[in-house]
Amino acid sequence: DSGVTQTPKHLITATGQRVTLRCSPRSGDLSVYWYQQSLDQGLQFLIQYYNGEERAKGNILERFSAQQFPDLHSELNLSSLELGDSALYFCASSVSLDGNQPQHFGDGTRLSIL
Amino acid sequence: GENVEQHPSTLSVQEGDSAVIKCTYSDSASNYFPWYKQELGKRPQLIIDIRSNVGEKKDQRIAVTLNKTAKHFSLHITETQPEDSAVYFCAALWGGYQKVTFGTGTKLQVIP
Repeated sequence: DSGVTQTPKHLITATGQRVTLRCSPRSGDLSVYWYQQSLDQGLQFLIQYYNGEERAKGNILERFSAQQFPDLHSELNLSSLELGDSALYFCASSVSLDGNQPQHFGDGTRLSIL
Repeated sequence: GENVEQHPSTLSVQEGDSAVIKCTYSDSASNYFPWYKQELGKRPQLIIDIRSNVGEKKDQRIAVTLNKTAKHFSLHITETQPEDSAVYFCAALWGGYQKVTFGTGTKLQVIP
């Protein structure tokens, strides 16, 4: 158990819909990272938050957004869903702002778009 | 941005043999290189990492070497066991150590 909690574990929805994925970091960790893992794109960094503020952006689509709340949990919002958004979405947490400290991954949310 | 290439994409070894996975990166400013192991359907787990001020790091049967001049780093697993079978990802951190780029993964199969 990494201490990082992601909900839901599975999500099935249709094209054009909007979903919210939730992540609770390990106790004491201030950084939250979001990743997308698909068969054709591998593991892709999406976005990082540190103590409530967005700090780094990766390959995140404009249809996607995220936020980190005062209690440090984070949500990833995916809208106008397309078939290609089907993937495993991981969040990871770390104690520091810099990524050069170990990141602890949650078990992921598997998103299936029908 | 950073580009990370990982080879081979698949690797089969006999139990007890060694396995080596290699990664190259493009951004000379990258200074932190973690390796993750991911079993089927599970989350990536950090198995070892190395920072640029170190050339080699070892943890029991796992070692990582880094050549900053050549911009490549390698994972070495000795005395492989069937439970080592998984997909291994290398990664490099850049952009002030806040952005991470992963390699494409190596599927390691250890044959009993």
